[in-house]
Amino acid sequence: DQQVKQNSPSLSVQEGRISILNCDYTNSMFDYFLWYKKYPAEGPTFLISISSIKDKNEDGRFTVFLNKSAKHLSLHIVPSQPGDSAVYFCAARWGGFKTIFGAGTRLFVKA
Amino acid sequence: EPEVTQTPSHQVTQMGQEVILRCVPISNHLYFYWYRQILGQKVEFLVSFYNNEISEKSEIFDDQFSVERPDGSNFTLKIRSTKLEDSAMYFCASSEALQGLETQYFGPGTRLLVL
Repeated sequence: DQQVKQNSPSLSVQEGRISILNCDYTNSMFDYFLWYKKYPAEGPTFLISISSIKDKNEDGRFTVFLNKSAKHLSLHIVPSQPGDSAVYFCAARWGGFKTIFGAGTRLFVKA
Repeated sequence: EPEVTQTPSHQVTQMGQEVILRCVPISNHLYFYWYRQILGQKVEFLVSFYNNEISEKSEIFDDQFSVERPDGSNFTLKIRSTKLEDSAMYFCASSEALQGLETQYFGPGTRLLVL
């Protein structure tokens, strides 16, 4: 099941710089997209989301961009902080119940 | 801040045995979910539950799996006859409502190891 793809298993960024995490999807029926953050030994924590009718949503240091024609979304974190180091999952939902997750991207923010 | 809790944190069982994983969702939430993550793989949806019945389930959720809300607070996942490939991290989640971008809050997970 490759409906949601995160092609970069890891990303390393210097503190203070921008982190850009990418996600591609194949199912045009998805109507909501979400980003979750996961620390070791914890469950995923909701970070930010976007409806398919929008192209941008911003919350503090986190901005999600959606390009429907390219079936691509990205999460921008600026400025990046060492505490942002975690695994980031892109996820997509349609019909309300079922959430499809990507494989995750491990972000390392170096001090 | 209210949170989803899960017990046990770790469970080791023999192949063929039954296991019950327990979750206490956030108290005012109405929708409940189970996910699993096999080591090194993505988080996979198993099942959603609302109003004392399954709302949706994935192809992974076959006859060996069942869910129950035995009382007003607990939500359980039972695996009837465990297989080696059931070894995974199992996450429970809950949400207040269904519509739109309603956030699902995840528990810390139960790590199941089937020997």
